[in-house]
Amino acid sequence: QVHLVQSGAEVKKPGASVKVSCKASGYTFTGYYIHWVRQAPGQGLEWMGWINPNSGGTNYAQNFQDWVTMTRDASISTAQMELRSLRSNDTAMYYCAKSSGRGVIDLESWGQGTLVTVSS
Amino acid sequence: QSALTQPASVSGSPGQSITISCTATSSDVGDYNYVSWYQQHPGKAPKLMIYEVTNRPSGVSNRFSGSKTGDTASLTISGLQADDEADYYCCSYTISATLVFGTGTKVTVL
Repeated sequence: QVHLVQSGAEVKKPGASVKVSCKASGYTFTGYYIHWVRQAPGQGLEWMGWINPNSGGTNYAQNFQDWVTMTRDASISTAQMELRSLRSNDTAMYYCAKSSGRGVIDLESWGQGTLVTVSS
Repeated sequence: QSALTQPASVSGSPGQSITISCTATSSDVGDYNYVSWYQQHPGKAPKLMIYEVTNRPSGVSNRFSGSKTGDTASLTISGLQADDEADYYCCSYTISATLVFGTGTKVTVL
């Protein structure tokens, strides 16, 4: 059974960075893309980017290209997302999600979410 | 501003059918053949309900169906049940190999 377990909630000051991790189990980690999606309080879903856990290749949404980095450590089946220069409007729930076997086109399984709060 | 526009809310009575539309407003979605739909209950992670416009993942009720006409994809929920009350998001693959979500629709069961 596929499980994506994310790291715990974070509180950061404006200008700081945050790194959220996503540990996968129940499938071959390198065989499926990992996406990151965020949701501000009371708002909709916003796609941030994906990483290919096999090659490490990434593709970021234009809105995040200059301040997000997605990495992976295949030896421990874990993906990470780092967001830099945090602002108050980065306060959101951050989700990792696993693609299906159909490439990057859909998000088959989701982590439980990590709440990141940015406040001075 | 999302490339995919959904109605803010849709409602129906138990047993009725409702349809949520998702209209592409940007050519970034290409042929619009890779549309997926997600259900999100309050405080929960989203759940994949439909992929590639019309296909249901294993375990998803056949009361949920997807379709597409031109630049508008649709999710239909038949035999509406109380547990269907949730937010629903469409999502499309783009020509840049990225994804974009719709604006979201709140479904209320009256």
